[in-house]
Amino acid sequence: IQLTQSPSFLSASVGDRVTITCRASQGISSYLTWYQQKPGKAPRLLIYTASTLQSGVPSRFSGSGSGTEFTLAISSLQPEDFATYYCQQLNSYPITFGQGTRLEIK
Amino acid sequence: EVQLVESGGGLVQPGGSLRLSCAAAGFTFSSYAMNWVRQAPGKGLEWVSTISNSGERTYHADSVKGRFTIARDNSQNTLYLQMDSLRADDTALYYCVTYSFTSVSRRFDCWGQGTLVTVSS
Repeated sequence: IQLTQSPSFLSASVGDRVTITCRASQGISSYLTWYQQKPGKAPRLLIYTASTLQSGVPSRFSGSGSGTEFTLAISSLQPEDFATYYCQQLNSYPITFGQGTRLEIK
Repeated sequence: EVQLVESGGGLVQPGGSLRLSCAAAGFTFSSYAMNWVRQAPGKGLEWVSTISNSGERTYHADSVKGRFTIARDNSQNTLYLQMDSLRADDTALYYCVTYSFTSVSRRFDCWGQGTLVTVSS
């Protein structure tokens, strides 16, 4: 199952609302996970099962979708949110990741 | 606190072998499926392998099938990745990751800091 994230690169300002889309090549139910990765760090789980916020993750992050189209939204960007974001499908093997979306400060 | 500490990475020649280890602490290791995920320099994340909590079931990416083997020792709280016939495109940071898997949710929730494997002559 291929996952295609859009956009691949996003430039935004502190306080902006941004959305990242992840499209699956076939239906994956709700087994879609989002991760955040900062340079030199391991990925951090943000959202699982499409819309469940991981414990400790700020409520400005939200996820939605099912089937083949999913969205990660950040309601009001904070300086610490500038990072790369990956989606991942856990519906079936082989497990796959999207190519990543790099979010940079405008 | 969950701790995952990878080791065993290093420089190896093409065609060589390495065995990665991941020492787990702070949770009931034998209750969790485990994974290896890799990231080539400057690239995205790539799933490599998964092993069930008991070790009875394993899954590997096509890119490593027949060359890599995931294994675990629940008595030692340790996850392994045996890597044979290494190629230059196996060069990456290898992460050990827990897999929480229930009837209603699935997630890779805890990640180690990674161990770097470099395949070069």
